Amino acid sequence: NAGVMQNPRHLVRRRGQEARLRCSPMKGHSHVYWYRQLPEEGLKFMVYLQKENIIDESGMPKERFSAEFPKEGPSILRIQQVVRGDSAAYFCASSRAGSREQYFGPGTRLTVT
Amino acid sequence: AQSVTQPDIHITVSEGASLELRCNYSYGATPYLFWYVQSPGQGLQLLLKYFSGDTLVQGIKGFEAEFKRSQSSFNLRKPSVHWSDAAEYFCAVGPDRDDKIIFGKGTRLHILP
Repeated sequence: NAGVMQNPRHLVRRRGQEARLRCSPMKGHSHVYWYRQLPEEGLKFMVYLQKENIIDESGMPKERFSAEFPKEGPSILRIQQVVRGDSAAYFCASSRAGSREQYFGPGTRLTVT
Repeated sequence: AQSVTQPDIHITVSEGASLELRCNYSYGATPYLFWYVQSPGQGLQLLLKYFSGDTLVQGIKGFEAEFKRSQSSFNLRKPSVHWSDAAEYFCAVGPDRDDKIIFGKGTRLHILP
């Protein structure tokens, strides 16, 4: 059973460009979570999604950030008009419905130049 | 509000020595507690978790942790560390199922040969 997959693993964008981060949950997992890890910090929750629904986006910046988890395909975290402060590692986790245990992907390291 | 405190940012121990990493949490009900390990440039691996029952939990790689409700603590221990244990360790608390995990800021473990 493949684990949580994220791509790309590394992404470099210039200021003002768009970043798209993808997350494929583990087989059988219907819940996806996105977390951001700034340098020298722990992980901070951003958004929790189920198929076609955003359940909790209390950790998402109000502007430029959006997330989706379509019926088919991976979950996408989209950052428009990136700024240097968006440079971070973005981790995706998935879980089964009703489970408290989340499995993490390897992360996407975004660098904004 | 839920929170996790890891008071030690860096810990250095000699190879073969015992280890204890501290974690304190703030949560209104019985918490669900986790310890994760992150090697440089890698994702998070679950070491162990506490949901209920026996307050001493065993994890992978020889780690264990003890839940102490009276002290709101969930300290991680290992009797004898190996050089490969050098990594960053995150304590985390999860509320109800299907919701976000709150992470501490992490403790970076350094191993002296």
